[in-house]
Amino acid sequence: DTGVSQDPRHKITKRGQNVTFRCDPISEHNRLYWYRQTLGQGPEFLTYFQNEAQLEKSRLLSDRFSAERPKGSFSTLEIQRTEQGDSAMYLCASRPGQGSGNTIYFGEGSWLTVV
Amino acid sequence: AQTVTQSQPEMSVQEAETVTLSCTYDTSESDYYLFWYKQPPSRQMILVIRQEAYKQQNATENRFSVNFQKAAKSFSLKISDSQLGDAAMYFCAYVSNFGNEKLTFGTGTRLTIIP
Repeated sequence: DTGVSQDPRHKITKRGQNVTFRCDPISEHNRLYWYRQTLGQGPEFLTYFQNEAQLEKSRLLSDRFSAERPKGSFSTLEIQRTEQGDSAMYLCASRPGQGSGNTIYFGEGSWLTVV
Repeated sequence: AQTVTQSQPEMSVQEAETVTLSCTYDTSESDYYLFWYKQPPSRQMILVIRQEAYKQQNATENRFSVNFQKAAKSFSLKISDSQLGDAAMYFCAYVSNFGNEKLTFGTGTRLTIIP
């Protein structure tokens, strides 16, 4: 069990550029989540996948944000035309379909700084 | 909509002493899970303890225990024999057990351990 893995851990980008984050969940976890966390705040839900199906999206996920999980394993979160307000940590989490008591397991996060 | 409130932005405790972190939540549902997550300076969110709403017995994990008051919608975390490694942000979180996968977090409490 290698845990939830996220890449890159840190990204600095210029406003207007596109960025993509990757998440590799714990093996055999069919549920995968993306959260966003800004300084001094708790994580906020962005979106959720069950296998390859994106089943829920937050209103926080504007048209510039897109998430995919094409084969039901790893997931990507892309932000197009980044804005300074996108600066945050993007957390990925996963859990198995049953047996975890709704407990989700987080990765270390990907820090985004938009300059 | 469910909300989670942590009214203590910061707390401190002497090493080896006991500290209690407060959390209240608002929901109209009867079946749900509550969690305390710890986020050390390395930023990975780690599960501390979990409580199922339909279980009256308070959850305990070694030095960590909760006081779950369902009617009052209160879920406090008690840390006994505090250790330097307990220093972190602590987040209270809620998730419904009715198919809603969204985990709702409070704003966190920063816990400092005084040697």
